[in-house]
Amino acid sequence: QVQLVQSGAEVKKPGASVKISCKASGYTFTSYLIHWVRQAPGQRLEWMGWINVANGDTKSSQKFQDRVTLTRDTSARTAYMDLSSLRSDDTAVYSCARSAYMDVWGEGTTVIVSS
Amino acid sequence: QSALTQPASVSGSPGQSITISCTGTSSDVGRYDYLSWFQQHPGKTPKLIIFDVTKWPSGISNRFSGSKSGNTASLTISGLQAEDEADYYCCSYTSTGTYVFGSGTKVTVL
Repeated sequence: QVQLVQSGAEVKKPGASVKISCKASGYTFTSYLIHWVRQAPGQRLEWMGWINVANGDTKSSQKFQDRVTLTRDTSARTAYMDLSSLRSDDTAVYSCARSAYMDVWGEGTTVIVSS
Repeated sequence: QSALTQPASVSGSPGQSITISCTGTSSDVGRYDYLSWFQQHPGKTPKLIIFDVTKWPSGISNRFSGSKSGNTASLTISGLQAEDEADYYCCSYTSTGTYVFGSGTKVTVL
């Protein structure tokens, strides 16, 4: 079945970077966008960016533009989200989602930023 | 990009219908029909329940229905059931090629 499997939880210090992976299975990886969305504890969903898996084009929210890098490895069927200069308010669950409609979601990766 | 505006909470009794609004601007909700709704139960990942304003993904109950007028989209849940108690988020494509989620609405079944 269609599935997105994300990498495990991370604990980082302020100022560090985190790279989360999202491995796809059950569909043609290059046929769909991958979005990245985060949700801080008790807060709303927040859209971070998308990557066109077919050609590598990306678009990010202005809020994260300077700190987020979206990449993909088509041979590994995996998308990646790299967030740099982490702050305590980056503590959140980070999720990948398939397609323009976000019809399939990964299970989420918890990132805790703490000194 | 500010979040789309949703009511913080909506409640209803089993069997009733409720409507959740999602207000944006002429640069997002008002301009495009790329408007989706997600249901999120506590501790779970979001689930797509409506896309392109009015369409249902496979397997989603037609008790959920969507509409749009101007800069405001709406989600109606008919025949409210206990399992509908969850958080609901709208999400729209925008004129800058980005997406924006709503502020979220907690639905309580009384």
